[in-house]
Amino acid sequence: DADVTQTPRNRITKTGKRIMLECSQTKGHDRMYWYRQDPGLGLQLIYYSFDVKDINKGEISDGYSVSRQAQAKFSLSLESAIPNQTALYFCATSDGGQGESDTQYFGPGTRLTVL
Amino acid sequence: SQQGEEDPQALSIQEGENATMNCSYKTSINNLQWYRQNSGRGLVHLILIRSNEREKHSGRLRVTLDTSKKSSSLLITASRAADTASYFCATDAGGSNYKLTFGKGTLLTVNP
Repeated sequence: DADVTQTPRNRITKTGKRIMLECSQTKGHDRMYWYRQDPGLGLQLIYYSFDVKDINKGEISDGYSVSRQAQAKFSLSLESAIPNQTALYFCATSDGGQGESDTQYFGPGTRLTVL
Repeated sequence: SQQGEEDPQALSIQEGENATMNCSYKTSINNLQWYRQNSGRGLVHLILIRSNEREKHSGRLRVTLDTSKKSSSLLITASRAADTASYFCATDAGGSNYKLTFGKGTLLTVNP
């Protein structure tokens, strides 16, 4: 089974709808991240969480919110979806590396289309 | 904002040839990582090089880091069709508020 799972894998929705993307991990990592990827671009950080009580905004948090329900679960919400939020969304985890740079492990992605 | 910028944006080679991709970054880093992404899939970590290292090897991969020029290169030797993917560099500045900043990637196509 995959260590980092995302649901749904694909979603088509309409402008103004509320959407929740979910991420679960079995790696036991404290740190979790949400990124979006647009065609031809790298990943942009939306939100990140270093533990259940810690939530931080990334580069592009406007229009998004998150919830860290447990160590293993980190969900991303679009309260009122708009077409320019059409993108590929990735969840990632890392173990914090004890002060050293740590590797991030990515989920398979959710392809979101907002009409 | 993107910290890393990969060069070239796209690279097409024949199987068996070597592929070299470059990454330049703007501010001081703690470490630099390279990731691979197959089309539409999640990124997979390839290799990490620390700021006090100059070269690192892993199988057919060789990474160099020149902190004075704020640049890194990824060399894939004896490429295979299965190496076709996008390759991203990612940097972090260390510290307690650790996070990665990704470049835009190089799309590598290896033709059989």
